[in-house]
Amino acid sequence: ETGVTQSPTHLIKTRGQQVTLRCSSQSGHNTVSWYQQALGQGPQFIFQYYREEENGRGNFPPRFSGLQFPNYSSELNVNALELDDSALYLCASSFRGRSYEQYFGPGTRLTVT
Amino acid sequence: KQEVTQIPAALSVPEGENLVLNCSFTDSAIYNLQWFRQDPGKGLTSLLLIQSSQREQTSGRLNASLDKSSGRSTLYIAASQPGDSATYLCAISGGGADGLTFGKGTHLIIQP
Repeated sequence: ETGVTQSPTHLIKTRGQQVTLRCSSQSGHNTVSWYQQALGQGPQFIFQYYREEENGRGNFPPRFSGLQFPNYSSELNVNALELDDSALYLCASSFRGRSYEQYFGPGTRLTVT
Repeated sequence: KQEVTQIPAALSVPEGENLVLNCSFTDSAIYNLQWFRQDPGKGLTSLLLIQSSQREQTSGRLNASLDKSSGRSTLYIAASQPGDSATYLCAISGGGADGLTFGKGTHLIIQP
């Protein structure tokens, strides 16, 4: 059973650009969630996908969007990047219907200049 | 809206000491509570998960307790080691599609 993986590890973008971050969930998990963690803060919930549909969102604007694919992979897309989007982005997978225990990937460090 | 507070924000103790990290939450209608460890710049490693019907969970030198009525959880670390140095995060799940609500963490340093 493989763990949760994310790519890329680090990314540098310019304000106004668009970025796509990728996540591969643990095999068999039907739910993926994305979190944003600013320096010195706890992770903040962005949104959750279940069976390829968004079914929950935190306090993030629509320029944060996502996709979930049948092969356990998912994407986080951020349009019109702002300086405050600089953060560690974490994805977590779980199996809805069991313990809801979430398993996190290593994260992608995004720097917006 | 669920709010999670962790005290202390930072803690430095000599190796070998037993220690307690605290987590409090405002809404007792929780599904489960997870304790995580995070090393600098890295992802989260799940340490313990306590379901709402449980009072405690143990794994090796770690013991986590849950008191829903008072909105509190504690993580007890026995015989601390320098390798335990990390940030410890407490997170609440409501069981739905709202994700986890995290505290800001306790930054722990174990002095050799």
